[in-house]
Amino acid sequence: GQNIDQPTEMTATEGAIVQINCTYQTSGFNGLFWYQQHAGEAPTFLSYNVLDGLEEKGRFSSFLSRSKGYSYLLLKELQMKDSASYLCAVMDSNYQLIWGAGTKLIIKP
Amino acid sequence: DAGITQSPRYKITETGRQVTLMCHQTWSHSYMFWYRQDLGHGLRLIYYSAAADITDKGEVPDGYVVSRSKTENFPLTLESATRSQTSVYFCASSDSGTGGFSGANVLTFGAGSRLTVL
Repeated sequence: GQNIDQPTEMTATEGAIVQINCTYQTSGFNGLFWYQQHAGEAPTFLSYNVLDGLEEKGRFSSFLSRSKGYSYLLLKELQMKDSASYLCAVMDSNYQLIWGAGTKLIIKP
Repeated sequence: DAGITQSPRYKITETGRQVTLMCHQTWSHSYMFWYRQDLGHGLRLIYYSAAADITDKGEVPDGYVVSRSKTENFPLTLESATRSQTSVYFCASSDSGTGGFSGANVLTFGAGSRLTVL
């Protein structure tokens, strides 16, 4: 079966750095997405990786290793507004998105 | 207003009743999707549509019906609601469902419809 694993919850301190991991086992691979979802709101797109390596976008970076079935989202200089759930999703060989259950990130002052 | 809108935002109904959740997008995106989101689960695809009059089942289609007579609208109907259908429902749209990434595969979500079935 297809599976996406992420930690359920993480806590970090304002101003610090946090890494949210995502491991996947899917039928084929056509890219990995990260979305951010604030409580009670819609998911919004953060990043996309299809090749191995690190993609940097401001305070957020996303890394992919296809051979290891592994990705992480790195958030730097954490702000209180970064408190949200972070959803990892993989596009399989049929171009269907398989979603992880999400990681709830709690930022403490 | 431009964007993707869902209605109603909140709905309480009883077991056995029919419920329709509406979704409207103003971008003329070809693809539209319905997901449900439950605690402890990832987003699960119910139905999707590649264009007007073209719909297909997702991972959890049982108990749901969709239609797409116009590109901009994609209503989701629960023909006889059950308690297990209590969930938050998200509609999403995208320029493309396949092919290489050009930004076109990014999903844009509506604000969600929270449905409670008593």
